[in-house]
Amino acid sequence: GAVVSQHPSWVICKSGTSVKIECRSLDFQATTMFWYRQFPKQSLMLMATSNEGSKATYEQGVEKDKFLINHASLTLSTLTVTSAHPEDSSFYICSARDSSGSSYNEQFFGPGTRLTVL
Amino acid sequence: QKEVEQNSGPLSVPEGAIASLNCTYSDRGSQSFFWYRQYSGKSPELIMSIYSNGDKEDGRFTAQLNKASQYVSLLIRDSQPSDSATYLCAVTLGAGNMLTFGGGTRLMVKP
Repeated sequence: GAVVSQHPSWVICKSGTSVKIECRSLDFQATTMFWYRQFPKQSLMLMATSNEGSKATYEQGVEKDKFLINHASLTLSTLTVTSAHPEDSSFYICSARDSSGSSYNEQFFGPGTRLTVL
Repeated sequence: QKEVEQNSGPLSVPEGAIASLNCTYSDRGSQSFFWYRQYSGKSPELIMSIYSNGDKEDGRFTAQLNKASQYVSLLIRDSQPSDSATYLCAVTLGAGNMLTFGGGTRLMVKP
């Protein structure tokens, strides 16, 4: 299967700082990437859809000025959590959609980034 | 009514048995259906995709899709303790490419 990487895998930061998370598709091009958040014992929650070369589409209730998304190339999307607070502590997971026809609509997930805000 | 529904479980099966996981969805226009496995503290891993009615087999896994009844299921044969995880059903609603996930079913395979 296709490989998606995320960096960092975990991060601890002080309240008020910003944290950038990178998501890369390693062996395929992804015109669309997705950012999810998952709290303990809860299901995945889609935060936003990231499209290469255009603005991200945010889900209802997700603040676009707080969660900045940049999808500058076909293999890289970044999520920046600005002015992080303890309630932003969560497991952030990206996924990338393989644009090739052979695996249409399949999404492959990165390993996730565990964010802890003190 | 949720768009994608799964029984949260836990579903407990003995080692070597068949585990049957079910999922229903609300949008008749859905076209793509996926099963992901998620171990505790890890991200989801795609294990099956299915796009047309019928069965699709891959090793010990069989996905079944019935669009008329709007359900998709996953059978795991010869269940192993290592299969213990949460299984997420995901559907692309309509013609879009955004996945909608069910809440997941926790499977426990007891030795």
